[in-house]
Amino acid sequence: SQQGEEDPQALSIQEGENATMNCSYKTSINNLQWYRQNSGRGLVHLILIRSNEREKHSGRLRVTLDTSKKSSSLLITASRAADTASYFCATDGTGANSKLTFGKGITLSVRP
Amino acid sequence: NAGVMQNPRHLVRRRGQEARLRCSPMKGHSHVYWYRQLPEEGLKFMVYLQKENIIDESGMPKERFSAEFPKEGPSILRIQQVVRGDSAAYFCASSPPGHYEQYFGPGTRLTVT
Repeated sequence: SQQGEEDPQALSIQEGENATMNCSYKTSINNLQWYRQNSGRGLVHLILIRSNEREKHSGRLRVTLDTSKKSSSLLITASRAADTASYFCATDGTGANSKLTFGKGITLSVRP
Repeated sequence: NAGVMQNPRHLVRRRGQEARLRCSPMKGHSHVYWYRQLPEEGLKFMVYLQKENIIDESGMPKERFSAEFPKEGPSILRIQQVVRGDSAAYFCASSPPGHYEQYFGPGTRLTVT
């Protein structure tokens, strides 16, 4: 079964708008991470939020975590065409250097 | 510092042949992970290795698949007697000890004809 489930599955916005993507998970976690994948490429780590944190910022990215609802959201502000990619949340449950469990991903299209 | 290297980038095999996928982790990274991605899907964990040790192979099919990370050289994911269902993108990631983030290679796209 999927540990991370993102929604929406696809999102299309205009350049300059904000993009919000959500992720839900089923079991307890250590950390939750967000990755980006450009078409045909590998994944790039964006941001990690620990289970005892509620919000974290990195540049135009803001991630929140609600462990009571087992959900997280990723906000990209002032989107750019270059943000067009697939975004995945991933959870790890057993400490450092453990496997990651990914959701199916969200396809974000930013129209110029 | 070069990133995670994978080769080949594309691999075509006929049913029944063997596929060997190679992964060289980033310098200083002693932990290697293999994931498989089917079209329109997220990544599925296969195996986690350290030098000369398999730490977690809970996502690896019991038959035809094997992985190694020798003392010298790259990590190898080996698929024997490939079938059409093995067609996928295979990604390798690495991390240094004590880290949660993983650094991914560009992937090997395996096509079984």
